Amino acid sequence: EAQVTQNPRYLITVTGKKLTVTCSQNMNHEYMSWYRQDPGLGLRQIYYSMNVEVTDKGDVPEGYKVSRKEKRNFPLILESPSPNQTSLYFCASSSGSYTGELFFGEGSRLTVL
Amino acid sequence: AQSVTQPDIHITVSEGASLELRCNYSYGATPYLFWYVQSPGQGLQLLLKYFSGDTLVQGIKGFEAEFKRSQSSFNLRKPSVHWSDAAEYFCAVGSNFGNEKLTFGTGTRLTIIP
Repeated sequence: EAQVTQNPRYLITVTGKKLTVTCSQNMNHEYMSWYRQDPGLGLRQIYYSMNVEVTDKGDVPEGYKVSRKEKRNFPLILESPSPNQTSLYFCASSSGSYTGELFFGEGSRLTVL
Repeated sequence: AQSVTQPDIHITVSEGASLELRCNYSYGATPYLFWYVQSPGQGLQLLLKYFSGDTLVQGIKGFEAEFKRSQSSFNLRKPSVHWSDAAEYFCAVGSNFGNEKLTFGTGTRLTIIP
């Protein structure tokens, strides 16, 4: 089954404790991206990757890092989480040929205390 | 910069009634337009998309949307809603220049009453 898998789905952590949210897709997609969803703000892009070893900032990259060492994985790293990073995070992927269809994971709800 | 406005935060509709969700966009060139649906606890699923051609596009689950360039709108419609349509709906605009980023609206939450 084609899917985008995120882990963990739920996480409560404390300010400053480094964490990683993993994302893996099994569709051999070239393009992957991270979004955060906040009430009243919709979804905003954090980072994206056009292919292995190619990443770039989206609209709200501050406080986040990413890496793309393998095609299927695109982890989101919060080096020193802060309460304003409490949010619902989505990983998405697409084939890269611009079909416009992003395939989304089920989301990771992060709370930073 | 591209942007999307969904003026209705929350809409309540009776089961079997018709539905229209509004979406207005701002984009300098011909836009790529999308509607996604998010069911509770789930990720987003593509309902339909407009790239070019026929301005009335059909999607999954009986939804359709009409692109009106003169009004910068891409409203989503369904002639008869079902209880399972209760969800949050997001309109989005995209471009094909490098980053396949979609710019999303703030969403419209749809409640269905019996």
